Amino acid sequence: GAVVSQHPSRVICKSGTSVKIECRSLDFQATTMFWYRQFPKQSLMLMATSNEGSKATYEQGVEKDKFLINHASLTLSTLTVTSAHPEDSSFYICSASGTGFFNSPLHFGNGTRLTVT
Amino acid sequence: EDQVTQSPEALRLQEGESSSLNCSYTVSGLRGLFWYRQDPGKGPEFLFTLYSAGEEKEKERLKATLTKKESFLHITAPKPEDSATYLCAVQATDSWGKFQFGAGTQVVVTP
Repeated sequence: GAVVSQHPSRVICKSGTSVKIECRSLDFQATTMFWYRQFPKQSLMLMATSNEGSKATYEQGVEKDKFLINHASLTLSTLTVTSAHPEDSSFYICSASGTGFFNSPLHFGNGTRLTVT
Repeated sequence: EDQVTQSPEALRLQEGESSSLNCSYTVSGLRGLFWYRQDPGKGPEFLFTLYSAGEEKEKERLKATLTKKESFLHITAPKPEDSATYLCAVQATDSWGKFQFGAGTQVVVTP
């Protein structure tokens, strides 16, 4: 149980284009999903908290206009990297909790490797 | 501010050579401490949750323990398939569900 699917696993795009990443909870409903970014040999950095039916909450320093998050249903959240630049190249991972928001472990998608050329 | 520090950064073990990974944390109040395993190019895979000092959890060759300031992940008689990065994360009582992750310990087990 508690399977999170993330797509695509890899994407290469040109500078200035936008990229959409999908995150789905396959066997549970997720009112809240989290989006992380991970640099090589570094910790997972929380970018934003995605809430179903409402606006996402962004962490300090994360540009909400560059990283658009939409959580239109209880099983789908999307992250759109707008006008991507090479410095946006990174590993993006989504996660969600199963039943019970507090105390429950996060379950992660397999991540999306974004390369901006 | 909540902080999570993992040590060592990297660990190279011979197959069968037991060892421990450390996760030191500073939080105002601990709701839970979580251990994950991450393989290259993959998302983290959940291993354990620990809620209170003195608690222990085991799964195959892994055993996690918790004190008021740190957690240990013991790897007993590791095999090459235990090679991965092990991440520790804490959820504070005032964090509204957010997790604070450590940078991880990269473990390599050689035959």
